[in-house]
Amino acid sequence: DAGITQSPRHKVTETGTPVTLRCHQTENHRYMYWYRQDPGHGLRLIHYSYGVKDTDKGEVSDGYSVSRSKTEDFLLTLESATSSQTSVYFCATIGNNYGYTFGSGTRLTVV
Amino acid sequence: QQQVKQSPQSLIVQKGGIPIINCAYENTAFDYFPWYQQFPGKGPALLIAIRPDVSEKKEGRFTISFNKSAKQFSLHIMDSQPGDSATYFCAASMGNNNDMRFGAGTRLTVKP
Repeated sequence: DAGITQSPRHKVTETGTPVTLRCHQTENHRYMYWYRQDPGHGLRLIHYSYGVKDTDKGEVSDGYSVSRSKTEDFLLTLESATSSQTSVYFCATIGNNYGYTFGSGTRLTVV
Repeated sequence: QQQVKQSPQSLIVQKGGIPIINCAYENTAFDYFPWYQQFPGKGPALLIAIRPDVSEKKEGRFTISFNKSAKQFSLHIMDSQPGDSATYFCAASMGNNNDMRFGAGTRLTVKP
């Protein structure tokens, strides 16, 4: 997962609390993505960014917001966490070979 | 509604066997079909990808077969090894690649 760092790696939070996950990339890629991974669903796109302050919704964006104030950082915020948002969250960038490069993921548990 | 359907959910083969994982898609506008490999605790990693203008692509022991008329594609792993044990995801996207749709994944176990 060279060039992409996700933090934290694990987090347990209570229902109704806000949570922010961070993705940091060092390779100056324009496009960045947030996916969630759930058994039986594969990976589903939450939001993506095509530049600083330029973002768009994905397939499962309800309950999530994102921000990108710098090229290298893409933040995912759960405004009020719910148990249905318990998941593994992956950040990705798109490389020169057109394929996605994923980070190592953040395992989020909402109790 | 899953746009990319993957089967089987799990697969067990003996070392040296040839596991085959299948995917079917609905949207004929898809024009890029990658496969990703994921080990526990890691993010998915791009394994091999194909465009619809070819019917087969090989990279080492991994082969994608593509059937445009049937809207299906599959991954074959030749001479499988225990180190190939992982979860495999097929995916599909179109145009600028900003909305890649993934299959549900196949957990492959290769027994020694």
